[in-house]
Amino acid sequence: GDSVTQTEGLVTVTEGLPVKLNCTYQTTYLTIAFFWYVQYLNEAPQVLLKSSTDNKRTEHQGFHATLHKSSSSFHLQKSSAQLSDSALYYCAHSGGSNYKLTFGKGTLLTVTP
Amino acid sequence: GGIITQTPKFLIGQEGQKLTLKCQQNFNHDTMYWYRQDSGKGLRLIYYSITENDLQKGDLSEGYDASREKKSSFSLTVTSAQKNEMAVFLCASSLDWTNTGQLYFGEGSKLTVL
Repeated sequence: GDSVTQTEGLVTVTEGLPVKLNCTYQTTYLTIAFFWYVQYLNEAPQVLLKSSTDNKRTEHQGFHATLHKSSSSFHLQKSSAQLSDSALYYCAHSGGSNYKLTFGKGTLLTVTP
Repeated sequence: GGIITQTPKFLIGQEGQKLTLKCQQNFNHDTMYWYRQDSGKGLRLIYYSITENDLQKGDLSEGYDASREKKSSFSLTVTSAQKNEMAVFLCASSLDWTNTGQLYFGEGSKLTVL
């Protein structure tokens, strides 16, 4: 079946330093698209990044991710973390005959001064 | 733009009680979803509705019922609340069923069972 793995449940980084959130996936279907969703405290999850093209870098709000089908990965990175980046991040992909989204378990990012 | 409104935001129930959560969207989206959010377990799909008169079970449908009353509204019922259960339920919508990756979520309904 389909699965998405986010290896870290908690990531803490100092403001101004780079951050990387890992995401790998397994699927037996033709996957349509990959996503990073972000959920700020007491807010609804929202799409941060979306990609469906292999080896193409996607950027938004200072974050970037590149889909690598050869390694089944879609890691999220930022060169300089900000305090406002503290949030819960979900990696997800959609695919299969019913196009359902499969979410990872989430990574809680905390950026400290 | 649009918005997804979930009611109530907080729900406290008793063990064995039937509890209903409601969701309204004004995006005019065809497809709606109910997810359960638990810390460390991610978002798990309970029920979804591709279009107005459709109902599909997700991966976590046991113990829940759902109802798509009209295009803009989708309800979820916990058929028998479990003691000490705590969870956040998220409603979402998407333009149509082939666009399931781009979901728009509500802020959630937090359930506490005493």
